[in-house]
Amino acid sequence: KQEVTQIPAALSVPEGENLVLNCSFTDSAIYNLQWFRQDPGKGLTSLLLIQSSQREQTSGRLNASLDKSSGRSTLYIAASQPGDSATYLCAARSNDYKLSFGAGTTVTVRA
Amino acid sequence: NAGVMQNPRHLVRRRGQEARLRCSPMKGHSHVYWYRQLPEEGLKFMVYLQKENIIDESGMPKERFSAEFPKEGPSILRIQQVVRGDSAAYFCASSPDSRNEQFFGPGTRLTVL
Repeated sequence: KQEVTQIPAALSVPEGENLVLNCSFTDSAIYNLQWFRQDPGKGLTSLLLIQSSQREQTSGRLNASLDKSSGRSTLYIAASQPGDSATYLCAARSNDYKLSFGAGTTVTVRA
Repeated sequence: NAGVMQNPRHLVRRRGQEARLRCSPMKGHSHVYWYRQLPEEGLKFMVYLQKENIIDESGMPKERFSAEFPKEGPSILRIQQVVRGDSAAYFCASSPDSRNEQFFGPGTRLTVL
C-alpha cells in the first residue's frame, strides 16, 4: 500500500524567498507523481505532473523533481509571492488508477 | 470544454438524513473517481466507476455508502443515515480512460449537524 508523506506540515516565509516542499512515498513503482495547489475551501488545481520516466518538470516559477529510487519528490517555488499562500498536495499514482495523497504542506508567504 | 462539475458545492444534513452528491465528468470522459478529504487529512480514494459499472470500491465504507454512474446523467455518491464523522470534502475526478490524468472537480463540502 502506497504511503505519501509531506514535510513540513506548515511553512512561513517572507516574500521573495524560495520555497522547497518535500514529498516522500513508500512504493517506488509509481506511474506518475502530481503536485496540486488547494486554496482554503476550494478544489484542487493541478500544478505539475511528472511521469515515472521523467526526472523533473518546470512551469514558470515552479519546478518539481522526481527521484523514484529514493521515493522522493521536491517542489521548488522561486521568488515566492503572497499569492503563493495555499496548501500544496502531492499525489503518487501507482500502476493502476488510484492517487495516494499526502496530507499537504500549508504555505504562508508574508508580505 | 467545461471541467468536472459537482453539486451541490455545500450540503448541510442532520444526523440520520441522506446525502446525495453529484458529479458530471468532463465531456468525453467515461471514468469517474471519488475521493474524500477529512479535516486535516489528505484525500483518500473511495471508488472508481465506469459507465454503469463499479470497478473498484475498496476505499468506500461497507455500510451506508453507495455510488453509481448510470448510462445517462451524473455519477451519484449516496450516503445514508449520515453521522458527524461523514463531514468532509468529497471530490470527484474524471478521465477518458484509466491511464490518463484525472481532472478534479471543485468538491462538495458536507457538514453533518
